Amino acid sequence: EDQVTQSPEALRLQEGESSSLNCSYTVSGLRGLFWYRQDPGKGPEFLFTLYSAGEEKEKERLKATLTKKESFLHITAPKPEDSATYLCAVQAESGGSYIPTFGRGTSLIVHP
Amino acid sequence: DAMVIQNPRYQVTQFGKPVTLSCSQTLNHNVMYWYQQKSSQAPKLLFHYYDKDFNNEADTPDNFQSRRPNTSFCFLDIRSPGLGDAAMYLCATRAFPAHNEQFFGPGTRLTVL
Repeated sequence: EDQVTQSPEALRLQEGESSSLNCSYTVSGLRGLFWYRQDPGKGPEFLFTLYSAGEEKEKERLKATLTKKESFLHITAPKPEDSATYLCAVQAESGGSYIPTFGRGTSLIVHP
Repeated sequence: DAMVIQNPRYQVTQFGKPVTLSCSQTLNHNVMYWYQQKSSQAPKLLFHYYDKDFNNEADTPDNFQSRRPNTSFCFLDIRSPGLGDAAMYLCATRAFPAHNEQFFGPGTRLTVL
């Protein structure tokens, strides 16, 4: 069974305090790993897709990396507007090719 | 702009009173999904469509049904809502196999009194 575990469940940072969110996964044949941002009361917003170990993608203060067992979402010098829940999902070959498995998310609060 | 639209954004219903949530998309994506998300939990897949092919997740309660009359629209029917059905309901789309990422609508927050 495909599994996705995100840690920590919640993270509080001061503005400018860099940190990383973790997404560890167990799947049989990774087709893709996705990061989404979800603001309270809204639907998830797509951030990144990573396909193979060693791949990295960046967007503003966010950088996503991937290994064979986990992915990190690095947040550099965060601002209060980065406060949100960050969801990780994996697409496995066994998931009918289009059914991703989601983690529970990491709730990030950035204090000014 | 191409997008995924959900109506209503907020729905209040009474225990046992049927409710229908709607989702429309202008992306022309062939796959559509319905998720249920409760506080601090991962989105839970209820149904998905690959074109007109309907797929019901094994643990989706019989109380939930879905319709996709055409490519653009999808509906979620809750026949007899219980207190445990209060949640955010998310619609998502995907262009398979061209793209891997899903595009989500803003969600419908369902309250059951």
